[in-house]
Amino acid sequence: GAVVSQHPSWVICKSGTSVKIECRSLDFQATTMFWYRQFPKKSLMLMATSNEGSKATYEQGVEKDKFLINHASLTLSTLTVTSAHPEDSSFYICSARSDLDSYEQYFGPGTRLTVT
Amino acid sequence: AQSVTQLDSHVSVSEGTPVLLRCNYSSSYSPSLFWYVQHPNKGLQLLLKYTSAATLVKGINGFEAEFKKSETSFHLTKPSAHMSDAAEYFCVVSDQGTYKYIFGTGTRLKVLA
Repeated sequence: GAVVSQHPSWVICKSGTSVKIECRSLDFQATTMFWYRQFPKKSLMLMATSNEGSKATYEQGVEKDKFLINHASLTLSTLTVTSAHPEDSSFYICSARSDLDSYEQYFGPGTRLTVT
Repeated sequence: AQSVTQLDSHVSVSEGTPVLLRCNYSSSYSPSLFWYVQHPNKGLQLLLKYTSAATLVKGINGFEAEFKKSETSFHLTKPSAHMSDAAEYFCVVSDQGTYKYIFGTGTRLKVLA
């Protein structure tokens, strides 16, 4: 149980375009989802926390207009990187948890974004 | 505020020898602690977790960790390293108030044949 998927697993886009990454909890209802960013050979950096039906809470230094997060249902959250630039290239990982069960987070497999 | 410190950025061991990856935590409360492994270009896999039950926690693939409150440590060990253990390992503490995860900087384990 507690499986989280991400789609796509990798994506290449041109500079100036937008790209959407989906995060789905497959077998549980995720009241809270998290988006992380990981630079090469670095640790995970929390970008934002989203709760179903409400606006995401962004960490300090994360541009909310660039990284749009939507948590429209208890099983789906999306991260849209708007007007992407090469410096947005990174590994993006989502996680999900059910606050009704425990506070443990379950991680997706990640999405590799390359902006050319 | 909670934090974790992974004391070694890189650890090299020979195949068949013990593994020790060190993690110290800072927390005002009894923390929830986790160890995750990440293979190249992959997501995170939970190895084990401590949530105030038994202080010696056994995880998957032969890994275990001991919670030592007096030393504020949660070191990860394995008796005998396999080549497949080569990966990045993260120690994580769950923030007491928000339950957000706070990641250590990671330890890259290299296993020599």
